[in-house]
Amino acid sequence: DAKTTQPNSMESNEEEPVHLPCNHSTISGTDYIHWYRQLPSQGPEYVIHGLTSNVNNRMASLAIAEDRKSSTLILHRATLRDAAVYYCILGASGTYKYIFGTGTRLKVLA
Amino acid sequence: EAQVTQNPRYLITVTGKKLTVTCSQNMNHEYMSWYRQDPGLGLRQIYYSMNVEVTDKGDVPEGYKVSRKEKRNFPLILESPSPNQTSLYFCASSLRSGLAGVGETQYFGPGTRLLVL
Repeated sequence: DAKTTQPNSMESNEEEPVHLPCNHSTISGTDYIHWYRQLPSQGPEYVIHGLTSNVNNRMASLAIAEDRKSSTLILHRATLRDAAVYYCILGASGTYKYIFGTGTRLKVLA
Repeated sequence: EAQVTQNPRYLITVTGKKLTVTCSQNMNHEYMSWYRQDPGLGLRQIYYSMNVEVTDKGDVPEGYKVSRKEKRNFPLILESPSPNQTSLYFCASSLRSGLAGVGETQYFGPGTRLLVL
């Protein structure tokens, strides 16, 4: 089965960009890459997703490597409210399962 | 308001006493799923349903049952709970199933914290 690997934790200063990496070297050709975040005491919430091309939305950008074996979630200007656990997830098209990594805990310093 | 609801939010029970955690969504979503979250292990998928009467196992289905008799509801059943099922459980739904479905946004419920003594 495909899996994702993320650093356990990262720190960023407020108002600075943050690049959260994810490795998914066993990804299949039609697996989607999703990012969710989980604020304290809440369920995960959607951030962004993509298949092959880089994606932008109001929350973040997703940069997908050309070979799709890794991706990076980019928060352009981190705020204190962005402190959360960020999960990189594969939507496994062959099985219709979702495979979560263990997530990266992002700490934002004022 | 579009949402996924779970009940109960907190539950303490004893080993072997059957329990059901309900999940309901009001968005007419096809795909529904249950996850458990444990420290150091992240979220792991227990079961998922691609539509009414269609369910399949996720990565950690042992000790759990599900049913999907109506589109909006997807209860999680623990026939004989054990202490290793103590966890935080999340239900989620997304609009479509199928090949493109795994590209859909999932909406998560608020979670159910279960303690099995």
